[in-house]
Amino acid sequence: KQEVTQIPAALSVPEGENLVLNCSFTDSAIYNLQWFRQDPGKGLTSLLLIQSSQREQTSGRLNASLDKSSGRSTLYIAASQPGDSATYLCAAMWPRRGSTLGRLYFGRGTQLTVWP
Amino acid sequence: EAGVAQSPRYKIIEKRQSVAFWCNPISGHATLYWYQQILGQGPKLLIQFQNNGVVDDSQLPKDRFSAERLKGVDSTLKIQPAKLEDSAVYLCASSLEGALGMEGYTFGSGTRLTVV
Repeated sequence: KQEVTQIPAALSVPEGENLVLNCSFTDSAIYNLQWFRQDPGKGLTSLLLIQSSQREQTSGRLNASLDKSSGRSTLYIAASQPGDSATYLCAAMWPRRGSTLGRLYFGRGTQLTVWP
Repeated sequence: EAGVAQSPRYKIIEKRQSVAFWCNPISGHATLYWYQQILGQGPKLLIQFQNNGVVDDSQLPKDRFSAERLKGVDSTLKIQPAKLEDSAVYLCASSLEGALGMEGYTFGSGTRLTVV
């Protein structure tokens, strides 16, 4: 059964700290892994997408890594700011049997609060 | 490029009433998804369309939910009759969905449904 788990469920840090959000998935045969940001009452914004053949992706202060063998991904946020406060969702895409189309499974998210 | 458009943004209905949501994906995106996100949980796939055909509706409660994607562009999701447990945010997403799920998803802002 394909499942995605995120730890911790909530995190509160002071501004300026570097932090790591964790994501684990049950089956290493993923197509890709994606990190999304969700602000209260809003939809999801794609942050980073790591293909199964890649080990990491970087965008600005964000760095996401992927270790398929251990079934883990981490999202590293450098020099956190109050504007980073949001829920961060990890999602893994697995193939469907008999199809090249994948299916995305989400974790429950980590609610991040960065206080000034 | 324009994003994924959804309407309405909010809807409050009484149980046993019906409701419909509309989604306009990014131009040229062949694949369209409807997700249900209950408060505190990650999004759950309800239905996936490839052009105007259904790829996956295994988690769609077909006794009360229906969805269509006419002409492979816009889509509507309907609930009839609604139950209290249908209260959630309904998210629409689209992707190019080439082979092996190489492309990321773009999400709309969602429709927040409250059933009272």
